[in-house]
Amino acid sequence: QSALTQPPSASGSLGQSVTISCTGTSSDVGSYNLVSWYQQHPGKAPKFMIYEVTKRPSGVPDRFSGSKSGNTASLTVSGLQAEDEATYYCSSYVGNYNLVFGGGTKLTVL
Amino acid sequence: QVQLVQSGSELKKPGASVKVSCKASGYTFSSTAVNWVRQAPGQGLEWMGWINTKTGKPTYAQEFTGRFVFSLDTSVSTAYLQIISLKAEDSAVYYCARSHSTGWSEDYWGQGTLVTVSS
Repeated sequence: QSALTQPPSASGSLGQSVTISCTGTSSDVGSYNLVSWYQQHPGKAPKFMIYEVTKRPSGVPDRFSGSKSGNTASLTVSGLQAEDEATYYCSSYVGNYNLVFGGGTKLTVL
Repeated sequence: QVQLVQSGSELKKPGASVKVSCKASGYTFSSTAVNWVRQAPGQGLEWMGWINTKTGKPTYAQEFTGRFVFSLDTSVSTAYLQIISLKAEDSAVYYCARSHSTGWSEDYWGQGTLVTVSS
C-alpha cells in the first residue's frame, strides 16, 4: 500500500490561513470517510487533530478543520499562530483492516 | 487521564532482538486496539499494524510481516513490539498509539522508544 501524497512543505503568515492536501486513490481516501490528521512538533509524539475527515477531538481549536473531495482530503488551519508550526500527517483507512499515512507536510509560519 | 508509557531507548547489535513495551493507564485496556507506528530518523510516520486487545490477534502492514511481533499482557495493561533479527534500517523511533473509539485513527500516543541498531 503506497503512502498518501502530501506536499513536503507549506507556509503562511501569522493570522492567515493555509490548506494542506492529502491525495490518495479511489481505494482509500475516495472510498472511506476515515481520514485523520496529526500534528507533530520536533522530538515529540504526534497529536491527534482531526478524525473521520471533519471531526475535531475535544481540545483541538476550531481553527483546524478538515474536508474531502474525491480522492483528496485537506486540512485547513485558519488564523495561523506561531505554535502551529509543525509537521502535519494525514492517514486513511485503506480496507482489509489496514491504515496508511501520508508523507507529511512541514508547515512554516512566517 | 489516558496515558501510554513506553520503555526506554535501546542500543542493539545487528542480528539481535528487541522488545519494546507500552503500558496503558487511565482507561479499560481491552476497550480499544493498540497500534504501532515507526518513524525513521528524519522521516515520516509508517503504520506498522495493530493488535486487538480483546482477542490478542495482530494485524501487520505488509512491510512489517515476518520479523515484527505484536503481543499483549492484559494483566498489566501492556502491549509489546518485538523485532527479531535486527537490521541497521530498523533504527527508528517506535510509537504505540491507542485506537480512537470510532476505529481508524489514533487518539493517544506513547512518548516513543528510540531503537538504534549498530555494530
